[in-house]
Amino acid sequence: SQQGEEDPQALSIQEGENATMNCSYKTSINNLQWYRQNSGRGLVHLILIRSNEREKHSGRLRVTLDTSKKSSSLLITASRAADTASYFCATGQGAQKLVFGQGTRLTINP
Amino acid sequence: NAGVMQNPRHLVRRRGQEARLRCSPMKGHSHVYWYRQLPEEGLKFMVYLQKENIIDESGMPKERFSAEFPKEGPSILRIQQVVRGDSAAYFCASSARQFATTGHTHTDTQYFGPGTRLTVL
Repeated sequence: SQQGEEDPQALSIQEGENATMNCSYKTSINNLQWYRQNSGRGLVHLILIRSNEREKHSGRLRVTLDTSKKSSSLLITASRAADTASYFCATGQGAQKLVFGQGTRLTINP
Repeated sequence: NAGVMQNPRHLVRRRGQEARLRCSPMKGHSHVYWYRQLPEEGLKFMVYLQKENIIDESGMPKERFSAEFPKEGPSILRIQQVVRGDSAAYFCASSARQFATTGHTHTDTQYFGPGTRLTVL
């Protein structure tokens, strides 16, 4: 699998439900970041979790990181129609580039 | 504090022409990154620059592509003699600093611009 591979590739849920997306990676990392991208738009940074952190919260977002399993999850609670977007995890390697996965396309149905 | 600015937002070129994409980082940011996104795919790293220096260009195609980040002015991604396969969204990101902890060098959060969508006819 590719570095920063998200699972599932697509997710469709009802408004108000929780959405969980997973990300797996292969090599050692310094940090892992989650981004949101609305169709045809730029990326919005959601949250950064460092390799020595296990869990982080920001509003309705909860991110976990398990470095032993080389995996991370993004949980969006009480989803809203405005959460419809593609979500990407990106691993920070060294001090430089981010390596992105293919993304999870999340659709929130009203 | 304005975010990362990119222009143009949309660029149409015919095969063989040159494309110039501009990126102005956030105020106070001295690190610039360029990424390319093909339809339905994630972003792929191209190049990382600091002022007047190319730090990592491992993701740049060997020919026709070049990037610069001069002392004054925006960062420029230049694509010469464009081909249809260059059609993509090109995103610029900037970050403030690197910092070191024991055994690690960390890059601060990268903030992305809105992208330039290049279409090659």
